[in-house]
Amino acid sequence: AQKVTQAQTEISVVEKEDVTLDCVYETRDTTYYLFWYKQPPSGELVFLIRRNSFDEQNEISGRYSWNFQKSTSSFNFTITASQVVDSAVYFCALSEGISGTYKYIFGTGTRLKVLA
Amino acid sequence: GAVVSQHPSWVICKSGTSVKIECRSLDFQATTMFWYRQFPKQSLMLMATSNEGSKATYEQGVEKDKFLINHASLTLSTLTVTSAHPEDSSFYICSVPRGGYTFGSGTRLTVV
Repeated sequence: AQKVTQAQTEISVVEKEDVTLDCVYETRDTTYYLFWYKQPPSGELVFLIRRNSFDEQNEISGRYSWNFQKSTSSFNFTITASQVVDSAVYFCALSEGISGTYKYIFGTGTRLKVLA
Repeated sequence: GAVVSQHPSWVICKSGTSVKIECRSLDFQATTMFWYRQFPKQSLMLMATSNEGSKATYEQGVEKDKFLINHASLTLSTLTVTSAHPEDSSFYICSVPRGGYTFGSGTRLTVV
């Protein structure tokens, strides 16, 4: 069965601290996509990254970085030098299938609070 | 990714009335769109897959007679919450499967 687990319900950090959000997934497919989305209080989902199952290269985008490890079925997200504007709920999601156009399975989300 | 417009952003309605939510794909012809629901402080759960020109596919536990989905064109899908009740109050968000997924801005429905 497909499942996405975000064990951290809520994390609070002080501004400029680094923070890692964990995501563990389960799937029987060999082809799948993993995503991270940010949901600020306004509610919209902001796309952060998409990674396919064949690409285990880690990625860095500014203060954001992602560590994909198939051996542990994890796709963790790190924010370096966190800022107050990073405060939001972050969702990890899994989409199975070759094109990644199947339905999403979302994790339960991690609420990040960055304190000034 | 695609540009998705969802309307309205928020709506308050009286119990027993129906509410229609529109999801438009502005720059991509979508044969499929997805509707999700998110209760406060919870995750997003897929409600149904909207199929252009045919019936929607509903997830287990979602009442198709209550949540009517119409996908009459390649750029528009609508979700109608019929005979809404307070327990239907939620955040509804649509998505278009393009470049991964692209989501609408969501509709916050409050039934009083």
